[in-house]
Amino acid sequence: AQSVAQPEDQVNVAEGNPLTVKCTYSVSGNPYLFWYVQYPNRGLQFLLKYITGDNLVKGSYGFEAEFNKSQTSFHLKKPSALVSDSALYFCAVRPLNAGNMLTFGGGTRLMVKP
Amino acid sequence: DSGVTQTPKHLITATGQRVTLRCSPRSGDLSVYWYQQSLDQGLQFLIQYYNGEERAKGNILERFSAQQFPDLHSELNLSSLELGDSALYFCASSVVPYGNEQYFGPGTRLTVT
Repeated sequence: AQSVAQPEDQVNVAEGNPLTVKCTYSVSGNPYLFWYVQYPNRGLQFLLKYITGDNLVKGSYGFEAEFNKSQTSFHLKKPSALVSDSALYFCAVRPLNAGNMLTFGGGTRLMVKP
Repeated sequence: DSGVTQTPKHLITATGQRVTLRCSPRSGDLSVYWYQQSLDQGLQFLIQYYNGEERAKGNILERFSAQQFPDLHSELNLSSLELGDSALYFCASSVVPYGNEQYFGPGTRLTVT
């Protein structure tokens, strides 16, 4: 069975500094990996995905993620954080042959302070 | 706005009751997914439908059922409700059953008292 771990419940960063939200996964075969963001009282918004190809994936709002097969990680990054980036971030995995059901990590709350 | 709509936004009901949550997918999307988000269980996949047929099942209780109608909207029925069913229920949609990203609705917050 597949699983996703987000080891940090909360990440604090100052505005303008780079941010990293960590994600590791466990899945049989090649994974499809996703990042979603959830703002208060809103649904999840798709940020980016890794299917195949370049290990560095660029997504919405200046976010990017790096796929590392040997470390089974898919960390979310942004070079310069904004206060408006403060939200709950979810990493998700979909195994290659498991339909389209997503398995989500527990979420990481990102707090960007001015 | 993802284009996925869910009604109602909030629902408060008593234990033992039955409720129906409704979802309309994005225009053109044939696949619908239901997820439950709770503090103790996190975000969990419940069930997927594609073009009216059940495609995949996750951690969905027997008291819960869903269907997708010919116009592609979907309903999630929750019966014999318990306090632990209180959660945020999300619907998501994608173009095809093996489509990549899923687009999520704003959710229905269910409170069971």
